[in-house]
Amino acid sequence: GAGVSQSPSNKVTEKGKDVELRCDPISGHTALYWYRQRLGQGLEFLIYFQGNSAPDKSGLPSDRFSAERTGESVSTLTIQRTQQEDSAVYLCASSLVLGGHFIEQFFGPGTRLTVL
Amino acid sequence: GEDVEQSLFLSVREGDSSVINCTYTDSSSTYLYWYKQEPGAGLQLLTYIFSNMDMKQDQRLTVLLNKKDKHLSLRIADTQTGDSAIYFCAESPRGSTLGRLYFGRGTQLTVWP
Repeated sequence: GAGVSQSPSNKVTEKGKDVELRCDPISGHTALYWYRQRLGQGLEFLIYFQGNSAPDKSGLPSDRFSAERTGESVSTLTIQRTQQEDSAVYLCASSLVLGGHFIEQFFGPGTRLTVL
Repeated sequence: GEDVEQSLFLSVREGDSSVINCTYTDSSSTYLYWYKQEPGAGLQLLTYIFSNMDMKQDQRLTVLLNKKDKHLSLRIADTQTGDSAIYFCAESPRGSTLGRLYFGRGTQLTVWP
C-alpha cells in the first residue's frame, strides 16, 4: 500500500528564488499537515488542512509561505523569495480524523531544502 | 498555545533501560503519543496511551502517564543500537483544532555498544 509521498526528495535553490514542494497523502485521509524540521531542531507545525474546513495556517512563519490542497488529495507548499533560514526538511503527514480524538499521523520521508 | 517539553539528548549503553520524559500542558488531552524518527526518515507512531490509563506496556516499551503532573514517560527496556533515533512526544488537546497534534522538540537517543 502506498504511504505518504513527497517530491522532490532534495531541492537546492538560490536565495530569492521560489520553490514548490509537493505532498501526496494516503488515499482517503481527510487531514494533511505540513511541518518544518531545521537541523538539530524539533518539529515545527506550519499548516493543517482538514476536509473542506478553512486551513489552520497559524504556524506559517511569514507571508512568503503558502500552501494549497485540492480537495482531499495533493498539497503543495510554496515558499517565495527563499532565504537561507528556510533551509530545513519539510515533512508532510496525513491522517484520518474521527470523532474519538485518536489521531495517527502518517509521515512522508520529507523534502530537504537547501537555500544557498 | 500548547507547549510540549522534552529533554533534547539521552545516551545509554546497549542493554540498559532508557527513559525519555515529556511534560505537556493540556490536561484535556485524551490521547498522548510517542513517535520515533530514524535517521533520514519521517516520523512513525511508536505507541500511545489513552488519558484514563496510568500505564501501557507493549513488549520492551512501557508508557507511564501522570495526569496530575502532566508528565509522560517512555521506557525502553534492554535498549539496542537499533533504538537510536529521535523520539517525539505529542498531545491532542480536546479544545484545539480537531486533528491537530502538538509535538515536543524530540529527544535524541544514542545507544552505545
